[in-house]
Amino acid sequence: GDSVTQMEGPVTLSEEAFLTINCTYTATGYPSLFWYVQYPGEGLQLLLKATKADDKGSNKGFEATYRKETTSFHLEKGSVQVSDSAVYFCALSKETSGSRLTFGEGTQLTVNP
Amino acid sequence: GAGVSQSPSNKVTEKGKDVELRCDPISGHTALYWYRQRLGQGLEFLIYFQGNSAPDKSGLPSDRFSAERTGESVSTLTIQRTQQEDSAVYLCASSLALGGYEQYFGPGTRLTVT
Repeated sequence: GDSVTQMEGPVTLSEEAFLTINCTYTATGYPSLFWYVQYPGEGLQLLLKATKADDKGSNKGFEATYRKETTSFHLEKGSVQVSDSAVYFCALSKETSGSRLTFGEGTQLTVNP
Repeated sequence: GAGVSQSPSNKVTEKGKDVELRCDPISGHTALYWYRQRLGQGLEFLIYFQGNSAPDKSGLPSDRFSAERTGESVSTLTIQRTQQEDSAVYLCASSLALGGYEQYFGPGTRLTVT
């Protein structure tokens, strides 16, 4: 079946450091790819998405590019802030599966001042 | 506007009891999803609804789990004869329709089975 693999956490960075969280997927067909974020004490919310190969999703300084050749959707940010501390989930969905989300395990990010 | 709401926010129950979890989706959202997040694990899909129809129940872990939805409104997830391994956060999400629309998540119900 379809699956998503994320780099293991936790990840701890200093403020203004560069962030990469790796995500690879296994899926048949043409999935859409997502990054969701869960801030402490809050619900899960969509950070960015890409629906086809070579699309780049971006939001709040975060970016991820849908790479079909490497089946990857790595999350990057050039300069993290303390407020970016959260759990990040990579996910995929396919219309043929009712657009249900298949999630990775999540990566805990802590940014220190 | 109002987001997805879930109740109760926390539920502690004894092993063997039945529990009912409720989800109120965003008004006008035709698609509704249930997921579960067990401690230290990722989120796993349970079931989805298009309107009040559930085309895919393959994610339900056992026949102790069932769900229903009234029209395009509230949904309930029922777990019968709860077991300790059912302890998890149960998340509900809704979207405007099927087909890649953003899913908006509720705050979840934390279920603890003692």
